Amino acid sequence: QSVLTQPPSVSAAPGQKVTISCSGDSDNIGNNYVAWYQQVPGTSPKLLIYDNNQRPSGIPDRFSGSKSGTSATLGITGLQTGDEADYYCGTWDTSLSAQVFGTGTKVTVL
Amino acid sequence: QVQLVQSGAEVREPGASVRLSCKTSGYRFISYYIHWVRQAPRQGLEWVGIINPSGAGTTYAQKFQGRVTMSRDTSTRTVYMELRSLRSEDTAVYYCARAEYFSDTHLDYWGQGTLVSVSS
Repeated sequence: QSVLTQPPSVSAAPGQKVTISCSGDSDNIGNNYVAWYQQVPGTSPKLLIYDNNQRPSGIPDRFSGSKSGTSATLGITGLQTGDEADYYCGTWDTSLSAQVFGTGTKVTVL
Repeated sequence: QVQLVQSGAEVREPGASVRLSCKTSGYRFISYYIHWVRQAPRQGLEWVGIINPSGAGTTYAQKFQGRVTMSRDTSTRTVYMELRSLRSEDTAVYYCARAEYFSDTHLDYWGQGTLVSVSS
């Protein structure tokens, strides 16, 4: 059972914006950096955001991350059909001494 | 370029063991931790554990303690994960992934995954 909670799905039309929430507690999100991963079905997860709001080289600025308290948010603007994928948040849980992931959110481009 | 190349698919019967490999290249092997993460069919990501290739120290998720062993071979830059007493619920794709730190970190490069099927 995942420690971090995400909505099962979000959707929007091409060009629009979606946000994905990730809810945790003080043992994980509240005191550690959050990362976001994109997983296109049949492929490995890919790092999208690290340290709450940093983008690795090659990730377009349409993707953004933020954190407030024990929650984090991934934003995707200018939605494209290629953005259809599953998205996971991840962080370290100090109490569990373990890496934890969110439940995952499926993004659909209408 | 950084690469993590995993071994091929495995099929096992319940009660058996499996040993997966993750061969790395393109970076200083001992400078990055390796995590193992699994994903059951149509399910989310589940953390299995972490190994420090420098000193071979390991930390496993409580769920897998006693059943999993991670090791490394610095001469071949390869990390291994053995899972024992397999059951059907262990059927999943197993990924290795690199991280710069032990905790409070992110997994920046992932292997292609190894499918482990457990069935009688």
